[in-house]
Amino acid sequence: AQSVTQPDIHITVSEGASLELRCNYSYGATPYLFWYVQSPGQGLQLLLKYFSGDTLVQGIKGFEAEFKRSQSSFNLRKPSVHWSDAAEYFCAVSYNNNDMRFGAGTRLTVKP
Amino acid sequence: EPEVTQTPSHQVTQMGQEVILRCVPISNHLYFYWYRQILGQKVEFLVSFYNNEISEKSEIFDDQFSVERPDGSNFTLKIRSTKLEDSAMYFCASIKRRDTDTQYFGPGTRLTVL
Repeated sequence: AQSVTQPDIHITVSEGASLELRCNYSYGATPYLFWYVQSPGQGLQLLLKYFSGDTLVQGIKGFEAEFKRSQSSFNLRKPSVHWSDAAEYFCAVSYNNNDMRFGAGTRLTVKP
Repeated sequence: EPEVTQTPSHQVTQMGQEVILRCVPISNHLYFYWYRQILGQKVEFLVSFYNNEISEKSEIFDDQFSVERPDGSNFTLKIRSTKLEDSAMYFCASIKRRDTDTQYFGPGTRLTVL
């Protein structure tokens, strides 16, 4: 069955520290891959996406993600976290960019 | 920058009542979607709509749900007889081309069923 797994429900990092949020998927073929961020009570904002080509993709707000086919992973990274990055992060996949399937989300807390 | 809009931002209704959630997708987009997010849970796909018909739907989208594009701008989600478990944030999204574009999400409508 198709699934998206975000193993970490909650992560706490110190401001200025590096961040990596994990995402694994189970699909029959390489899907389209996305990371979204959601602040409390807000909608979904796209951070970055992977459709094809270079497996390291750059996004907004200094985020990047790397697609690793062999590991079925699409982990999100940021070298230095800012307090404003505190939010819920969702990994999403779609086989045909039609029905998008989301992971359960990772809540990021940033310590001063 | 064009954006997807949704109205109302918050809808409160009694169990058993019908509700219609409204969305205005980006004007030149061709594919339209509804998702829901129950409080504290992940976002779930409900339905996709293209060329005036449903192209895909999830197991959540049962006979109580329907979608419509009544004119050239609006895209609606109707729940015929709301249940308590329908309480959630409902997001509309749209896209122009599926092979290159990203779905643009609206700000959501929070539905509370009492």
